[in-house]
Amino acid sequence: NAGVMQNPRHLVRRRGQEARLRCSPMKGHSHVYWYRQLPEEGLKFMVYLQKENIIDESGMPKERFSAEFPKEGPSILRIQQVVRGDSAAYFCASSHHRGDTQYFGPGTRLTVL
Amino acid sequence: GENVEQHPSTLSVQEGDSAVIKCTYSDSASNYFPWYKQELGKRPQLIIDIRSNVGEKKDQRIAVTLNKTAKHFSLHITETQPEDSAVYFCAASYYGGSQGNLIFGKGTKLSVKP
Repeated sequence: NAGVMQNPRHLVRRRGQEARLRCSPMKGHSHVYWYRQLPEEGLKFMVYLQKENIIDESGMPKERFSAEFPKEGPSILRIQQVVRGDSAAYFCASSHHRGDTQYFGPGTRLTVL
Repeated sequence: GENVEQHPSTLSVQEGDSAVIKCTYSDSASNYFPWYKQELGKRPQLIIDIRSNVGEKKDQRIAVTLNKTAKHFSLHITETQPEDSAVYFCAASYYGGSQGNLIFGKGTKLSVKP
């Protein structure tokens, strides 16, 4: 599972700025999932993508948040006009097929000042 | 939607003792139940998983049991060691549907005292 890469590992933004989080899945994996983890809490599902498609975004706030997984390049989770409540660890996971074992990346820790 | 409850939230054991963490789920359609271990500041790492066609699975000191009728599953760690100290998360999902996301419990912080 060391193959799932995320960058940056740490990101500091001021309120109102944009945050872009990147996730490169394991080689051969075409399914990507984004989760958010608040301090001392579990992981909450945000969005599930397959190459060029959003399969399920039911866990993602409808405003300010968007995600994509283009044909080429990493998956990107974008948060516009960040607020302090967006401070959290954002993890992505990837799987080979839908419903297969999900392997997690190291996470991006977002701090909003 | 699916809801996963996990107990206890904290667990302290002596080295060499066993540890048991229990989870219940609400959606009877769920058929895949992984367990992840997360050390402080690190990524969640899969330690064992079970699918609904089996009732028990074992891997060395770790075992998971599943009771589909009662909708609960448990993680058993025997002969605990200090390096087992971490937060453990259970999760549930429906493999085969249009969704693939995992629904996680809130975690159990396990402390193994030497």
